[in-house]
Amino acid sequence: DTAVSQTPKYLVTQMGNDKSIKCEQNLGHDTMYWYKQDSKKFLKIMFSYNNKELIINETVPNRFSPKSPDKAHLNLHINSLELGDSAVYFCASSHHDRAEKLFFGSGTQLSVL
Amino acid sequence: DQQVKQNSPSLSVQEGRISILNCDYTNSMFDYFLWYKKYPAEGPTFLISISSIKDKNEDGRFTVFLNKSAKHLSLHIVPSQPGDSAVYFCAALKSGSARQLTFGSGTQLTVLP
Repeated sequence: DTAVSQTPKYLVTQMGNDKSIKCEQNLGHDTMYWYKQDSKKFLKIMFSYNNKELIINETVPNRFSPKSPDKAHLNLHINSLELGDSAVYFCASSHHDRAEKLFFGSGTQLSVL
Repeated sequence: DQQVKQNSPSLSVQEGRISILNCDYTNSMFDYFLWYKKYPAEGPTFLISISSIKDKNEDGRFTVFLNKSAKHLSLHIVPSQPGDSAVYFCAALKSGSARQLTFGSGTQLTVLP
């Protein structure tokens, strides 16, 4: 039973399209995150939600919009996809007071053509 | 400006020998440090951590050393096993209202049988 699951695993799309990545956790955590692993392999935080409230919003283009319908879900919608958006996107979750111990999903490989 | 740096993208070690992975950081406000391990097609998983009030933490074959004056930490794996072959990410955390991890770019460890 997967703890943090994200779909799809692979996403290939054309420039200019709009796409969404979904994430769900069944660990009972109250905080969820989106990380982006860029071409240089750094894992960089994009967003963090605590109890459905946005608490971290790093410098990310406003084409990226996270949505948290409840504590167990955090989806990422991307408008007008660009070539530079190609990356691996990881969802993660944690308890708010244990932000150091993240549980990651297996990642979504996004390729923008 | 990368605040957590792993300058060795890869490391190869013979089975049974010691693996030493290094990490440097620039932000003196970091007060908690972690190592995550990542296998292909999976998300990173927490491995071991250390608080800035300590200089060593050991968990089985894994030991993390922290040198605050040098802003340097290292992960020692001894003895190394083929199953340890993975990408190892160093991460750092600073306490505060919006606690978030800052990751390095990872080191690919290959343990040769």
